[in-house]
Amino acid sequence: QIHLVQSGAEVKKPGASVKVSCKASGYTLTSYDIIWVRQATGQGLEWLAWMNPNSGNTGYAQKFQGRVTITRNTSISTAYMELSSLRSEDTAMYYCARGERYSGSSDYWGQGTLVTVSS
Amino acid sequence: DIQMTQSPSSLSASVGDRVTITCRASQSISNYLNWYQQKPGKAPKLLIYTASSLQSGVPSRFSGSGSGTDFTLTISSLQPEDFATYYCQQSYSTPYTFGQGTKLEIK
Repeated sequence: QIHLVQSGAEVKKPGASVKVSCKASGYTLTSYDIIWVRQATGQGLEWLAWMNPNSGNTGYAQKFQGRVTITRNTSISTAYMELSSLRSEDTAMYYCARGERYSGSSDYWGQGTLVTVSS
Repeated sequence: DIQMTQSPSSLSASVGDRVTITCRASQSISNYLNWYQQKPGKAPKLLIYTASSLQSGVPSRFSGSGSGTDFTLTISSLQPEDFATYYCQQSYSTPYTFGQGTKLEIK
């Protein structure tokens, strides 16, 4: 069975950074992309970034360029999303998902990690 | 960035109804259009990819069509478990933007 298991909820102060992990099981991490999406409470889905865990290539939404970094550790089948210079507007549920390379769709999703930014 | 516009933003329907949700892209995206269903407190679930391909395990009452800029998601006969929010997403070019969502509610 394929699973993506994310790290637990985080509470951060404005200006701090947060690093969320996403551990893949049931498939080979390097065979699919990893996508990061966020959702503020009551709002829609917002695409942040993608990574090809095989090559290490990444792509970021312009809105988050310079603030978000996607990395991976293939030996433990885990991808990471780090968001820096946090502000209150970054309070949201952050999801990782498996990205299918041909279609660009995301067929398996993590359970989400709630990041709260509050002073 | 490619803008995705869904309509309607909300919809009330009854069990057994046929429902159609539309999605329009700000430029041609060929058939790189995906549909997701999301229930409260849950991660999105992939329903349709490349505009019309049904994801494994998704009931056949869901179907998708379209190409270029205009797309539709149709639910042929609504079931109680289908009341949720639906999102389209383009995967033609990054960032893979989503529509604003369509909330499907029970009438």
